[in-house]
Amino acid sequence: DSGVTQTPKHLITATGQRVTLRCSPRSGDLSVYWYQQSLDQGLQFLIQYYNGEERAKGNILERFSAQQFPDLHSELNLSSLELGDSALYFCASSVGPPASGNTIYFGEGSWLTVV
Amino acid sequence: AQSVTQLGSHVSVSEGALVLLRCNYSSSVPPYLFWYVQYPNQGLQLLLKYTSAATLVKGINGFEAEFKKSETSFHLTKPSAHMSDAAEYFCAVSTPGTSYGKLTFGQGTILTVHP
Repeated sequence: DSGVTQTPKHLITATGQRVTLRCSPRSGDLSVYWYQQSLDQGLQFLIQYYNGEERAKGNILERFSAQQFPDLHSELNLSSLELGDSALYFCASSVGPPASGNTIYFGEGSWLTVV
Repeated sequence: AQSVTQLGSHVSVSEGALVLLRCNYSSSVPPYLFWYVQYPNQGLQLLLKYTSAATLVKGINGFEAEFKKSETSFHLTKPSAHMSDAAEYFCAVSTPGTSYGKLTFGQGTILTVHP
């Protein structure tokens, strides 16, 4: 158990819909990351927050947005869903950035299936 | 820009045989390097990391990796494979000196262990 909690674990929704994925980081971790894992794209970095502020952005679509709340939990909002958005979405957290040698701890992911 | 290349999307070994998973990196400065393992239907778990201390890094479950700057490599090895090692393995890189970094992952190598 990494200490990173993600909900829901599985989600099936229709095209055009909107979903929200939730993440609670490890106790004491200020950084939260979102990654998308799919068969064709592999593990793709989406976005990072540090103590409520956006710090780095990766290959995140405009239809997707995220935020980190004062209690440090984070949400990833996916809207106007398309079949290609079906993937495993990971949340991860760390005390500090991996660029300082810190370990990023991953949750077990949220499986999103768009039908 | 930082990047990682994992040579071989699938590696198959016999139980008791040497495991060698290859990873080459590209980074403008000496990087921090990580190996993660993903078991079926689970999140990513850190195996080991290189943060510029010793070039030979020992991790969990008997795995180790050696940082070779001249070869820009960080290959993962285990002397004797066990059936429980069957999983997907990811090499990742982060660039020191950035205030807020991300991990860039390779495409992953699926390890199969035969009895």
